[in-house]
Amino acid sequence: DTGVSQDPRHKITKRGQNVTFRCDPISEHNRLYWYRQTLGQGPEFLTYFQNEAQLEKSRLLSDRFSAERPKGSFSTLEIQRTEQGDSAMYLCASSFDSYEQYFGPGTRLTVT
Amino acid sequence: ILNVEQSPQSLHVQEGDSTNFTCSFPSSNFYALHWYRWETAKSPEALFVMTLNGDEKKKGRISATLNTKEGYSYLYIKGSQPEDSATYLCASPTNFGNEKLTFGTGTRLTIIP
Repeated sequence: DTGVSQDPRHKITKRGQNVTFRCDPISEHNRLYWYRQTLGQGPEFLTYFQNEAQLEKSRLLSDRFSAERPKGSFSTLEIQRTEQGDSAMYLCASSFDSYEQYFGPGTRLTVT
Repeated sequence: ILNVEQSPQSLHVQEGDSTNFTCSFPSSNFYALHWYRWETAKSPEALFVMTLNGDEKKKGRISATLNTKEGYSYLYIKGSQPEDSATYLCASPTNFGNEKLTFGTGTRLTIIP
């Protein structure tokens, strides 16, 4: 399968714990995006990378969130000291330059 | 702040019937309009990217139209099938570079066999 993959698909964690998600984009894509979808809402932009450079971060991305794309390939999104409000579907997408964004299946996070 | 809205929020359609739903967006500073189909437990799948006023695109039984002057797009499904059951999302980028998509809340379509 050459699409965007995300791991894990589901994560249940206790409030206060740290979690890390991984996204593997389509191999020739230089851009990688993170979005978050909460219940009843559409996906909301969090951040994006062009190669290894993080070029924009949403105000939604508090100090507890950090994203990296160390070699311009896969990316990780870490949430520290999780809160119940962080429960959501975290989606990753990739594109080649400004062309269409291709999405992964998402990681569903539940914070108890 | 770009405001993208979709209606209706949910829709139940009898198998074989045709249906349509709406995405509205600000007509000023328009760059593109994306439609995605998102089936449960799968990745959102890109259906169309539309950029020109009056654009019409078709993919099998699904088609879409775009009116950038009045700020809306319609998605049509002809002869609905159970596999069409999904959430249909529209999104518009906030800039020409297409990096940051603003999504609507989606239309959840259920096809009744």
